[in-house]
Amino acid sequence: GQQVMQIPQYQHVQEGEDFTTYCNSSTTLSNIQWYKQRPGGHPVFLIQLVKSGEVKKQKRLTFQFGEAKKNSSLHITATQTTDVGTYFCMTSGTYKYIFGTGTRLKVLA
Amino acid sequence: SQTIHQWPATLVQPVGSPLSLECTVEGTSNPNLYWYRQAAGRGLQLLFYSVGIGQISSEVPQNLSASRPQDRQFILSSKKLLLSDSGFYLCAWSGQTPKQYFGPGTRLTVT
Repeated sequence: GQQVMQIPQYQHVQEGEDFTTYCNSSTTLSNIQWYKQRPGGHPVFLIQLVKSGEVKKQKRLTFQFGEAKKNSSLHITATQTTDVGTYFCMTSGTYKYIFGTGTRLKVLA
Repeated sequence: SQTIHQWPATLVQPVGSPLSLECTVEGTSNPNLYWYRQAAGRGLQLLFYSVGIGQISSEVPQNLSASRPQDRQFILSSKKLLLSDSGFYLCAWSGQTPKQYFGPGTRLTVT
């Protein structure tokens, strides 16, 4: 079945450094969503991308959807301690929801 | 505004005991409802989804079952828990778009 791989699995950064997580699929994705899960919490929706090559920004977060719609990335500029958590990508079809394996981010103050 | 409730928040159950987790949604009608399981430090695995009362689809074979007795109520059950059933169980809903709204989750430990 369809799988969505995320890399890296873990990332430790110093506060102020940038961070990027990548989401890759072997098949074309109809859409990609990104979620953030704080330690001990539940996933919270960040953004959805649907168009080839789409780029969206939310303050220090930049989301991209690849031209071939097989990969996506989330980039955080100048990380802060509040960015700590696990970032998941997710793709959906008709009632099919597949989450990536997640990237756990730790920010060292 | 819409809210989603789950209970209990934490649960410790012995192997072989039954399970019932409840999820309710407020502020929306005819939501799509989902049960996910997250093992410690891992991603989310979709267990069940429902598009209407009494309509349940299972994504993975297991000793769990789900029911939707009312439009905004989703229940996850098991007759006999296994050690491997331990995890963080998340209920979610969606409307016309795929965006998922998650509940606070139930942390289940099977001993």
